[in-house]
Amino acid sequence: AQKITQTQPGMFVQEKEAVTLDCTYDTSDPSYGLFWYKQPSSGEMIFLIYQGSYDQQNATEGRYSLNFQKARKSANLVISASQLGDSAMYFCAMRDLYSGAGSYQLTFGKGTKLSVIP
Amino acid sequence: DVKVTQSSRYLVKRTGEKVFLECVQDMDHENMFWYRQDPGLGLRLIYFSYDVKMKEKGDIPEGYSVSREKKERFSLILESASTNQTSMYLCASKGSSYEQYFGPGTRLTVT
Repeated sequence: AQKITQTQPGMFVQEKEAVTLDCTYDTSDPSYGLFWYKQPSSGEMIFLIYQGSYDQQNATEGRYSLNFQKARKSANLVISASQLGDSAMYFCAMRDLYSGAGSYQLTFGKGTKLSVIP
Repeated sequence: DVKVTQSSRYLVKRTGEKVFLECVQDMDHENMFWYRQDPGLGLRLIYFSYDVKMKEKGDIPEGYSVSREKKERFSLILESASTNQTSMYLCASKGSSYEQYFGPGTRLTVT
């Protein structure tokens, strides 16, 4: 069974500063994918970034980067130059990458609420 | 852009009522999902479907059923709503890429 742990229920960051949101995972599958989603107060889940377990380099998407440390089973999200619009809930998720529709389901962590202070 | 829509943003129903939550996606995705989200628990998968008329139970299927008669539409059914089904319900769809695309959510209150 897969498990995602986000140990920070809430975080504060000053505008324009960088912030790291922690995510650790547990799985017995050798091939898996890691995801980060953002959920603003409006409720919609917005996909941010993806990292495959066999990817050699850490994923980056604009101001978002994923600090993937496979041996430590961690997949932390780094947001650079925080903006007020970054205030939201952030969820880490994973799924295994074996073929078959049964592997498509995501396992989510409990989330971290990020507040950006002007 | 992928668009996933849900029939209602807010819904209030009485205990014992039959409740239908509808989800429609416009990208011809084969896979669709229903999650519920509760504070402190994150998102939990209720059911998913990988093709028309095909469905699989997720982690918490009890008290729910689903229907997928057309590829673009995936319905979640609460046969007899109970107060412990008060929650935020999120629908998602997935195509050939890795990520799932989510709808805006339906906040259901059962009184």
